[in-house]
Amino acid sequence: EAGVAQSPRYKIIEKRQSVAFWCNPISGHATLYWYQQILGQGPKLLIQFQNNGVVDDSQLPKDRFSAERLKGVDSTLKIQPAKLEDSAVYLCASSLPGAYGNTIYFGEGSWLTVV
Amino acid sequence: DQQVKQNSPSLSVQEGRISILNCDYTNSMFDYFLWYKKYPAEGPTFLISISSIKDKNEDGRFTVFLNKSAKHLSLHIVPSQPGDSAVYFCAASAGSGGSNYKLTFGKGTLLTVNP
Repeated sequence: EAGVAQSPRYKIIEKRQSVAFWCNPISGHATLYWYQQILGQGPKLLIQFQNNGVVDDSQLPKDRFSAERLKGVDSTLKIQPAKLEDSAVYLCASSLPGAYGNTIYFGEGSWLTVV
Repeated sequence: DQQVKQNSPSLSVQEGRISILNCDYTNSMFDYFLWYKKYPAEGPTFLISISSIKDKNEDGRFTVFLNKSAKHLSLHIVPSQPGDSAVYFCAASAGSGGSNYKLTFGKGTLLTVNP
């Protein structure tokens, strides 16, 4: 079974530039999550989709971050303009709806460095 | 406000001995708890979980203990192996299943198992 795919794996941008990350969840997984993990911290949920609808985006900095999930499958997370404090790993995860944590699968992450 | 706390950033043990990783939580609504393991440059992978109706769950070398009155859980690894060296995240959720299921993570503990 293919896992959660993310790209790009690594990205370095200057502050005030924009960046976009892509995620392809496990086939059949209706729920998709984007987490931000800053070095030395645990993952923090940014946004959660159920199919192509947003379930929770309470911790998404909406002035600079946006996310969409087209047709309830792939998702993109965009940051514009980027700030130094956005340097982090952006983890995409997916699960079956109503899943317990043991069926939340994470991708390898997209590492962002803002200089 | 950190709802899930892992107060030990790192732990070092000898191969064959017991590793004990601790986690405290503050949100009394949490009713499901998980441990994730993370190797460098990889996404977190599920390790073991426990429901609040239990006080112990065992899976091979891994055992999780839950003390609800103390709002404390611990992960025991016996015997520890060098391949167990990784960052371990404690996570918690409120509400069993449902489309808005999400995890709150601690900051993680880096476990190093020395040969």
